[in-house]
Amino acid sequence: KAGVTQTPRYLIKTRGQQVTLSCSPISGHRSVSWYQQTPGQGLQFLFEYFSETQRNKGNFPGRFSGRQFSNSRSEMNVSTLELGDSALYLCASSPRGAEKNTEAFFGQGTRLTVV
Amino acid sequence: AQSVTQLDSQVPVFEEAPVELRCNYSSSVSVYLFWYVQYPNQGLQLLLKYLSGSTLVESINGFEAEFNKSQTSFHLRKPSVHISDTAEYFCAVSEPGGSYIPTFGRGTSLIVHP
Repeated sequence: KAGVTQTPRYLIKTRGQQVTLSCSPISGHRSVSWYQQTPGQGLQFLFEYFSETQRNKGNFPGRFSGRQFSNSRSEMNVSTLELGDSALYLCASSPRGAEKNTEAFFGQGTRLTVV
Repeated sequence: AQSVTQLDSQVPVFEEAPVELRCNYSSSVSVYLFWYVQYPNQGLQLLLKYLSGSTLVESINGFEAEFNKSQTSFHLRKPSVHISDTAEYFCAVSEPGGSYIPTFGRGTSLIVHP
């Protein structure tokens, strides 16, 4: 079974631009979560999508948005990029059906650098 | 609201020595607890988890963690570390019956020296 795939792996953008990151979950997984990882703040939860609906949301500004498609693939978008948005963005998928205590499976992440 | 504190940001240790990575959590309800490991330029991988039952849980590569409810701790231990254990370790907590979204600690960098 293929793991969680995130594209691209590395990205360099300029302040003020926008960026879209992609995540393909493990086949059969319906929940996709996004995290921002920085040295100063650690892992911070952005949002979770389940069956194309945002089910949970972290404490990030509206510049951060996401969506999920019918095949469970997810994208996150960051508009008007700031230097502080430089981070490793991690996507995690899980089945999240009746067994809600299942683990999250993480992708390798997208390293975003804003210059 | 739940929170996780990993008391050590970095733990240096020599190969074959024992190690303990500390994790304390705060939550007003029962919890699920997890340890994840992150190797350089990789995502996170689940190392072990406590959901219920025996308070001592083990991983396949020799790590173990013990859930201590009275001390609200879930420390990770290994009796003899290898160079290949060098990585970032994250403790996480989630609340059953809630959103199940785990809250992560800031991580502990385990550095194993030869």
